[in-house]
Amino acid sequence: GNSVTQMEGPVTLSEEAFLTINCTYTATGYPSLFWYVQYPGEGLQLLLKATKADDKGSNKGFEATYRKETTSFHLEKGSVQVSDSAVYFCASFMKTSYDKVIFGPGTSLSVIP
Amino acid sequence: NAGVTQTPKFQVLKTGQSMTLQCAQDMNHEYMSWYRQDPGMGLRLIHYSVGAGITDQGEVPNGYNVSRSTTEDFPLRLLSAAPSQTSVYFCASSYGRAHEQYFGPGTRLTVT
Repeated sequence: GNSVTQMEGPVTLSEEAFLTINCTYTATGYPSLFWYVQYPGEGLQLLLKATKADDKGSNKGFEATYRKETTSFHLEKGSVQVSDSAVYFCASFMKTSYDKVIFGPGTSLSVIP
Repeated sequence: NAGVTQTPKFQVLKTGQSMTLQCAQDMNHEYMSWYRQDPGMGLRLIHYSVGAGITDQGEVPNGYNVSRSTTEDFPLRLLSAAPSQTSVYFCASSYGRAHEQYFGPGTRLTVT
């Protein structure tokens, strides 16, 4: 079945460090892919998305490229800030008979000054 | 727009009690869903609705009921609370299933 796998956290980085959070998916076709972010005490909000192979989603300095050859959608940011401390969720949507968004387990990021 | 609102923010129940978690959205979204979030397990879909009068089960529906009498409201009912239902519950809505989901702030439920 469809699934999403993320690198395990927690991840701790110093301010201005480079961030990569790995995400891979399994699906019987080509799903839409999303990254959501959850700040402490809040609900999830969409960070970026890509709907087809080779698409790059970007927002707030974060980027992720839809790679069908490696079934991946890794999240990257060149220089993290303390305000980026949050939990990041990779998600996929595949229109099948089940028709629901599949979320990964989330990766907690802490950025220290 | 208020977006997606949930009440209450916190709730403590005793085993066997029942209650309803409220969810409302003012964006005229057809698709609404309920998730629970547990440590290390991400979000799991409980129930969802593709429009008023239509609901369906997600991956963890046991112990929960939903109804969708209006486009705006999608309450989640716990029939007889169990400690295993201790979790954070999120309601979400979207224009369609493939679109961005808008999440409420969550309800933290503890069952003792």
